[in-house]
Amino acid sequence: AQSVAQPEDQVNVAEGNPLTVKCTYSVSGNPYLFWYVQYPNRGLQFLLKYITGDNLVKGSYGFEAEFNKSQTSFHLKKPSALVSDSALYFCAVRDAGNFNKFYFGSGTKLNVKP
Amino acid sequence: NAGVTQTPKFQVLKTGQSMTLQCAQDMNHEYMSWYRQDPGMGLRLIHYSVGAGITDQGEVPNGYNVSRSTTEDFPLRLLSAAPSQTSVYFCASSRRGTSTDTQYFGPGTRLTVL
Repeated sequence: AQSVAQPEDQVNVAEGNPLTVKCTYSVSGNPYLFWYVQYPNRGLQFLLKYITGDNLVKGSYGFEAEFNKSQTSFHLKKPSALVSDSALYFCAVRDAGNFNKFYFGSGTKLNVKP
Repeated sequence: NAGVTQTPKFQVLKTGQSMTLQCAQDMNHEYMSWYRQDPGMGLRLIHYSVGAGITDQGEVPNGYNVSRSTTEDFPLRLLSAAPSQTSVYFCASSRRGTSTDTQYFGPGTRLTVL
């Protein structure tokens, strides 16, 4: 079975500080991991994905994610947070046995304060 | 490209009423899916389709029907609405499921069942 967990419902960070949004995964087979962002009253937007290769993946809006196989984690990071980064962030894993299925975490609300 | 479009944006139903949520995409994507988003639970897959005439169940299919007569459209039907179906519904599409494909999401339909 495939699943992801986001242990923090909410993350608060000051503008200009680095941010981390945590995600751990459980998969059978190779992990195909994704991060999405949702702004209020909008659909989800793709940020970045890990399929294979470098453990540090760079994505949109200055975000990056670090894949750690030994810790089964895929944390989202940004060196310097912006107030406009405030949104709901979802980690997702693709079902390795059926690429048409995705499993999403419960979401983490990021609050960036001026 | 309009991307993935959903109608209506908002809907209020009474228990027992039926309705259809519309989803269309203009990217010639083979794969389409429906999710529901509930607080603290992330997105859960309701039904998905890998092409015209082919549909399959996701995690939470009960109470919902789908069909896929064209590549572009993937409507979701509630046959007899229940308060438990109050949620935000998202439609998504992608190219045929390979490991690298990203899903594109519509703006969502907020449904309230009284």
